[in-house]
Amino acid sequence: KQEVTQIPAALSVPEGENLVLNCSFTDSAIYNLQWFRQDPGKGLTSLLLIQSSQREQTSGRLNASLDKSSGRSTLYIAASQPGDSATYLCAVNRGNNDMRFGAGTRLTVKP
Amino acid sequence: GAGVSQSPSNKVTEKGKDVELRCDPISGHTALYWYRQSLGQGLEFLIYFQGNSAPDKSGLPSDRFSAERTGGSVSTLTIQRTQQEDSAVYLCASSLVAGVGNTIYFGEGSWLTVV
Repeated sequence: KQEVTQIPAALSVPEGENLVLNCSFTDSAIYNLQWFRQDPGKGLTSLLLIQSSQREQTSGRLNASLDKSSGRSTLYIAASQPGDSATYLCAVNRGNNDMRFGAGTRLTVKP
Repeated sequence: GAGVSQSPSNKVTEKGKDVELRCDPISGHTALYWYRQSLGQGLEFLIYFQGNSAPDKSGLPSDRFSAERTGGSVSTLTIQRTQQEDSAVYLCASSLVAGVGNTIYFGEGSWLTVV
């Protein structure tokens, strides 16, 4: 059974700091991994999608890495801003509808 | 529409009542998903529709839960005889086709509170 764990559950940093969010999964047989952002009272917004054959994806200040063999992914946020405050979720896709989500990391960036 | 639309955005209901939650996916998206998110928890898969194929209902927690998708577009999730543990955010998502490389787009959710 695929289990997805995100550490830490919550993180508070001062503005401008670089930070790393962690996601681990127990079954390496995945097709892709996605990082999402969820603002309070809102749905999820896809940030980055990494295919299983890729090792990283970048979008602006965000960089996501994937190490399938060790069952780990990281989301790196550079030069954090208060607007980055949200909950970040990772999800692993084993194909079709089998998409498993972590419980998320709640990020607060203090001005 | 421009995005996945869900209604109602908030619903408070009494224990034992039935509720219906609606999802209008992005136009042209053939795959539609329902997830449930309880407070502080990750998303729990409920049900998945792909085109005209039989839906994957493997995530529905009990027979009080059902869903349908009419005309391959709008979907309704029905919860009968609601219980307090059904209180959660119910999120709908759609993608162009179900597959390994397609981004999935979420609605803003229907917040259900059973009192």
